[in-house]
Amino acid sequence: EIVLTQSPATLSLSPGERATLSCRASQSVSSSLAWYRQKPGQAPRLLIYDASNRATGIPARFSGSGSGTDFTLTISSLEPEDFAVYYCQQGSNWPLTFGGGTKVEIK
Amino acid sequence: EVQLLESGGGLVQPGGSLRLSCAASGFTFSNYAMNWVRQAPGKGLEWVSGISGSGYTTFYADSVKGRFTISRDNSKNTLFLQMNSLRGEDTAVYYCAKDRGYCSGASCHRLSWEASDIWGQGTMVTISS
Repeated sequence: EIVLTQSPATLSLSPGERATLSCRASQSVSSSLAWYRQKPGQAPRLLIYDASNRATGIPARFSGSGSGTDFTLTISSLEPEDFAVYYCQQGSNWPLTFGGGTKVEIK
Repeated sequence: EVQLLESGGGLVQPGGSLRLSCAASGFTFSNYAMNWVRQAPGKGLEWVSGISGSGYTTFYADSVKGRFTISRDNSKNTLFLQMNSLRGEDTAVYYCAKDRGYCSGASCHRLSWEASDIWGQGTMVTISS
């Protein structure tokens, strides 16, 4: 099974700052990687698919990059609703796997 | 509006069984693969199982293989998860999720992944004596 490692575990930032989240795969997943945001008490929401494509309705402050084993989610300027937990997921091989998550908290 | 609504969660004793349902609306259900994802209290997301649009192909996480069965009734736009031999570590919120990849005809027999673009609100399953 492909293991996804997210870093850092926690990111402490202020509104308006730039956030950079990392997801590393134990073997190549090509571009089969998605990013989700999960607010407390809510279901996850798809942000990015195929490593770099924004999902429907996702604002331009979210961008994804990378391929192979190293991926990055960037939030250019944090809004209040962005303080949440972010997960990456790979779909290159079954079983599908998620990273352990990065919590973006208010500094 | 595209919507998924899970039901069937509850409190069950270890070794017991439970059947979860996920009612879909707002899209042509049979043209999309579906997945179940769970989240233990205070923990991260764990993929559980997936099923192709036709129901022909299924995959399972090792942690549930042989105990859980995913199925779908395309005539009723409903996804199911039959859970047997339940353990404490199965305690979680269970989400159903729609894959964003459209299939048609024979391609609906194949299970591929293009990310989960629609999620239900989740149903809580608690395994405890």
